[in-house]
Amino acid sequence: GAGVSQSPSNKVTEKGKDVELRCDPISGHTALYWYRQSLGQGLEFLIYFQGNSAPDKSGLPSDRFSAERTGGSVSTLTIQRTQQEDSAVYLCASSWTSGSRREQFFGPGTRLTVL
Amino acid sequence: KQEVTQIPAALSVPEGENLVLNCSFTDSAIYNLQWFRQDPGKGLTSLLLIQSSQREQTSGRLNASLDKSSGRSTLYIAASQPGDSATYLCASSMIKAAGNKLTFGGGTRVLVKP
Repeated sequence: GAGVSQSPSNKVTEKGKDVELRCDPISGHTALYWYRQSLGQGLEFLIYFQGNSAPDKSGLPSDRFSAERTGGSVSTLTIQRTQQEDSAVYLCASSWTSGSRREQFFGPGTRLTVL
Repeated sequence: KQEVTQIPAALSVPEGENLVLNCSFTDSAIYNLQWFRQDPGKGLTSLLLIQSSQREQTSGRLNASLDKSSGRSTLYIAASQPGDSATYLCASSMIKAAGNKLTFGGGTRVLVKP
């Protein structure tokens, strides 16, 4: 498809388990972002990848969160030892980095529920 | 640190009325400002992007203005329809920040009554 895709769409897990969330950006987009949307915190930035540069991890809430982007395309967000406060919708976005617009396009999100 | 605010948090209007959605930000050194629509249980759909050098952008019934000096952006939706019911979010990126990470407002939930 032409848009950003994410999988799974829903994930229910037990506290303490690890989860992996996947994002397929728009083909050719060099920048990829992860955001989290939760009831109490709204929409917040987590991590940003651009080309081969070191990722900007400044939004990750704890060292239980990590992400990688392989081959400059697909990205995986991993949450280790999940806690109930990790329950949220995790959104991925991608954009161009050349040019002045840099409009971000979002995927449908993964709803994570930690029991 | 940039803070983005959207007031009111919710808005209800009769069909046909024009919608005016407000977004304010504390740091005027923005790179661009983007307006999104979010339907319940869905991701974000980009509506309009205004670059820092622009004053407004238009797409169909939608018009977004930007006033950096006052730290405000306004989204106008003309002749509202029930299908416009959704949550509208604004977000800014900063010139000083590496990359284009967005800082979001809390959103305005809009209900257009038939």
